[in-house]
Amino acid sequence: DSGVTQTPKHLITATGQRVTLRCSPRSGDLSVYWYQQSLDQGLQFLIQYYNGEERAKGNILERFSAQQFPDLHSELNLSSLELGDSALYFCASSVALAGEGNEQFFGPGTRLTVL
Amino acid sequence: AQSVAQPEDQVNVAEGNPLTVKCTYSVSGNPYLFWYVQYPNRGLQFLLKYITGDNLVKGSYGFEAEFNKSQTSFHLKKPSALVSDSALYFCAVMSYGQNFVFGPGTRLSVLP
Repeated sequence: DSGVTQTPKHLITATGQRVTLRCSPRSGDLSVYWYQQSLDQGLQFLIQYYNGEERAKGNILERFSAQQFPDLHSELNLSSLELGDSALYFCASSVALAGEGNEQFFGPGTRLTVL
Repeated sequence: AQSVAQPEDQVNVAEGNPLTVKCTYSVSGNPYLFWYVQYPNRGLQFLLKYITGDNLVKGSYGFEAEFNKSQTSFHLKKPSALVSDSALYFCAVMSYGQNFVFGPGTRLSVLP
């Protein structure tokens, strides 16, 4: 158990809908990262927050947004869902900023299925 | 730009034999290198990392990795494979101030 929690574990929804994925980082970790894992795209970095502020953006679509709250939990919002958004979404946390050699600890993921 | 290559999609090895999962990287600056393992329907688990110092890094579950700067490689190794080692393995690289870049993954199958 990495100490990172994600809810829900599974999510099934229809095209055009909006969903929210939730992540709680390990105790003491200030950085939260979101990744998308699909069969044909591998593990793609979406976005990073550090202590409530956005710090880095990866391949995140404009239909997607995220935030980190004062208690350090984070939410990833996915809107106008398309079939291609079906994937595993992982949250990870680390104690400090990326690029300082700190490993990231991953949550169990949320499997999103868009029908 | 940072990049990671894992040249083998699949590695098959017999139980008890040594295993190697290959990783090469490209970064500007000094690399920080990581290996993660993913079991079915689970998140990624951290195995080991190289930051600086000894080129041979030891990690969890008997795994080790060797950093080779001249060949820009960071291959994952284990002296004696177990069936339970069968999983998807990811190499990742970062340099100071940058985010992780993950390789495409290598599926390891250990055959009994």
